[in-house]
Amino acid sequence: DTGVSQDPRHKITKRGQNVTFRCDPISEHNRLYWYRQTLGQGPEFLTYFQNEAQLEKSRLLSDRFSAERPKGSFSTLEIQRTEQGDSAMYLCASSLIGGGGTTQYFGPGTRLTVL
Amino acid sequence: DAKTTQPPSMDCAEGRAANLPCNHSTISGNEYVYWYRQIHSQGPQYIIHGLKNNETNEMASLIITEDRKSSTLILPHATLRDTAVYYCIVRDTGANSKLTFGKGITLSVRP
Repeated sequence: DTGVSQDPRHKITKRGQNVTFRCDPISEHNRLYWYRQTLGQGPEFLTYFQNEAQLEKSRLLSDRFSAERPKGSFSTLEIQRTEQGDSAMYLCASSLIGGGGTTQYFGPGTRLTVL
Repeated sequence: DAKTTQPPSMDCAEGRAANLPCNHSTISGNEYVYWYRQIHSQGPQYIIHGLKNNETNEMASLIITEDRKSSTLILPHATLRDTAVYYCIVRDTGANSKLTFGKGITLSVRP
């Protein structure tokens, strides 16, 4: 059983650099979500896709953030000109729409440290 | 904002049942109660969810009160590996269905 995978698991970068994270959802899951989690807090919603369409973006997703899901399978989250405040765990989740109570399954996360 | 309130922490002895409470007094008719847990530095793990009826799976039981304003997650025989932050989430089944996490409850299982 292949769950949600994320790459890399850890990323250390210098302020001002660009970083890109990848998420591979569970096969055939048509919804994909990105969340961000800072120390001591619960995850916060950033954005989500249904197939390749990005349907909602949180106000947390500044102009420096961009997410794509070009073929409706894997997704990438890019952060341009990173700032120290971007240091966090970035989590990806996927679900299969249909019926009530669709469950989101999370990946292991990518921990970003901006120096 | 999260629509649930949970105590910040609790502990229980290994092998005993852990009963984790959650209040969701403003829950509406089409909202489910979900429970996830997060072990340190890992992604959240789905545990169980329910709408009205009590639910049980291999991990836990979920007891929802008749008025649906509160629920309890029961881990029947807690082990040290159950030490984690447990999140109770009320989730609409509508178009977005994003999860809104609170701070959760930290369960510490002691030997």
